[in-house]
Amino acid sequence: EPEVTQTPSHQVTQMGQEVILRCVPISNHLYFYWYRQILGQKVEFLVSFYNNEISEKSEIFDDQFSVERPDGSNFTLKIRSTKLEDSAMYFCASSAGTSGTDTQYFGPGTRLTVL
Amino acid sequence: QKEVEQNSGPLSVPEGAIASLNCTYSDRGSQSFFWYRQYSGKSPELIMSIYSNGDKEDGRFTAQLNKASQYVSLLIRDSQPSDSATYLCAVTGYYGQNFVFGPGTRLSVLP
Repeated sequence: EPEVTQTPSHQVTQMGQEVILRCVPISNHLYFYWYRQILGQKVEFLVSFYNNEISEKSEIFDDQFSVERPDGSNFTLKIRSTKLEDSAMYFCASSAGTSGTDTQYFGPGTRLTVL
Repeated sequence: QKEVEQNSGPLSVPEGAIASLNCTYSDRGSQSFFWYRQYSGKSPELIMSIYSNGDKEDGRFTAQLNKASQYVSLLIRDSQPSDSATYLCAVTGYYGQNFVFGPGTRLSVLP
């Protein structure tokens, strides 16, 4: 069964450093998403992406964040200058469409630890 | 600001019992409702989706939606210890926008 994959599974970085989290969505999906989950808290929407541009973003997704689809398979989230409060699990998701009935399938997540 | 509310739990039920999980949402324009299961340290895993008022059954799981009351629930019949997890309610609009998760209810099924 097709699945969303994410690398790395765990990333440790120093405050102020840039990190890039990578995702490979399900191959025939067209819509891509990033979410984060701070330990013990709820899953929070960051951004959705379609046709090589951001379709929606939350208040969390400020100027330090960016997303990119550098090729036909990868979808990346870049955090330019990490802060301690960026420590969280980051989940990538993809869906075939964007109607309300389209299910989002989640990757296994990348645990980001900022020291 | 769209809100999705769930009791945080933990909800403890004995093995074989019915577990009832509830979710309320604030946006009357919400169109689609999803229940995800999340094991500790893992990603959300879809259990069921529901779009119309009424009940939808899939195996041991039944989702119930009442748009007038802005309420969606999940029943788990014949609960198993392997069902012990956090259950997340998620709500979205007609075009899949504003996918909002509730805080989750932690379910513990006792052998």
